[in-house]
Amino acid sequence: QKEVEQDPGPLSVPEGAIVSLNCTYSNSAFQYFMWYRQYSRKGPELLMYTYSSGNKEDGRFTAQVDKSSKYISLFIRDSQPSDSATYLCAMSEAGGGADGLTFGKGTHLIIQP
Amino acid sequence: AAGVIQSPRHLIKEKRETATLKCYPIPRHDTVYWYQQGPGQDPQFLISFYEKMQSDKGSIPDRFSAQQFSDYHSELNMSSLELGDSALYFCASSSSQTSGTDTQYFGPGTRLTVL
Repeated sequence: QKEVEQDPGPLSVPEGAIVSLNCTYSNSAFQYFMWYRQYSRKGPELLMYTYSSGNKEDGRFTAQVDKSSKYISLFIRDSQPSDSATYLCAMSEAGGGADGLTFGKGTHLIIQP
Repeated sequence: AAGVIQSPRHLIKEKRETATLKCYPIPRHDTVYWYQQGPGQDPQFLISFYEKMQSDKGSIPDRFSAQQFSDYHSELNMSSLELGDSALYFCASSSSQTSGTDTQYFGPGTRLTVL
């Protein structure tokens, strides 16, 4: 079983809808949590980063971390067709240690115009 | 803003050949990471370097080696290439001077095809 589980989708929603993307993990040592967006054949683009439990908001994006449940979420409000991409959650045990990230498999999101 | 630069962007090699991938981190970033992403897969961490020293090691095959140079650029050397090495190879960089975490910024990747 992978350390990080993420539903690969595809997840298809109409334009303007609120999108909820989720990951679960098993390693309780993970403390830093990130969401990346990846368009086909491109490099992952950092969207959000959070440390430990709590919420963080940036524009239309909100990231939530619940360490007690080992569950993280990314919400996208007022979704746009340009949001169509694969969303990867990623996490690491420690910041500042040049640790490699552990990724989920990514959720393929489709926003229908 | 300047981003991570990778070269070449595309590379085609035969089995058992060698390949060298290059990565130029964002200016003033001192840490580089290498990841391998197979078709339909998530990126798998290979290795990282901080201040020219190997820092963390993931699932990097013994046939692969990497180093970071004094100007902070890094090279991934791959020998005895196998068909299964065909993948996207990403380099990411971060700055140890950024408070909070080693937030990693990814390059556009090198697509390696082994025939």
